Amino acid sequence: AQSVTQLGSHVSVSEGALVLLRCNYSSSVPPYLFWYVQYPNQGLQLLLKYTSAATLVKGINGFEAEFKKSETSFHLTKPSAHMSDAAEYFCAVSLNTGNQFYFGTGTSLTVIP
Amino acid sequence: DTEVTQTPKHLVMGMTNKKSLKCEQHMGHRAMYWYKQKAKKPPELMFVYSYEKLSINESVPSRFSPECPNSSLLNLHLHALQPEDSALYLCASSPGATIQETQYFGPGTRLLVL
Repeated sequence: AQSVTQLGSHVSVSEGALVLLRCNYSSSVPPYLFWYVQYPNQGLQLLLKYTSAATLVKGINGFEAEFKKSETSFHLTKPSAHMSDAAEYFCAVSLNTGNQFYFGTGTSLTVIP
Repeated sequence: DTEVTQTPKHLVMGMTNKKSLKCEQHMGHRAMYWYKQKAKKPPELMFVYSYEKLSINESVPSRFSPECPNSSLLNLHLHALQPEDSALYLCASSPGATIQETQYFGPGTRLLVL
């Protein structure tokens, strides 16, 4: 079985501060891992995706995530938060076989001016 | 055209009504998806079409009926819905036919069932 856990349903950071959103997965084989962002009243947009090519994945809008097999983690970071980063962030996991795709429960990011 | 469009944006329907949601993409993607998203929750996968054939049905009640008339169009037919079916319905598409592909989402249809 596979699953994905996002620690912290709400995260608040000051503008300019480091953003760290946590994601841990549970899978017996290396999975595909994704981070999606959802702005209010909109659909989801892919930030980045891990496909085993490189453990440090760079995405859009200055975000990046590092795949750590030993910690079964895929945390999302951004060095300096902008007001426009306020949104809901979803980590997602899928195996490279089968037809299973799961979103985590999401983390709501608030950026304080 | 690099987007997924969904119509209508908002829909209010009674429990005895029949309505349809529409999703279109003109990116040549081979898979299309329906998700249901309740407020403050992650999207839940409902159906996946690969090459216009239903490949995944996540045990969705029969009052939701998907249809894929062609590779660019995906419909979701609604009949005899319940108030608890009120949610944001998201459509997505992906270039390849596997669920490991990057999905491109539409803005969603916000459905209210009275």
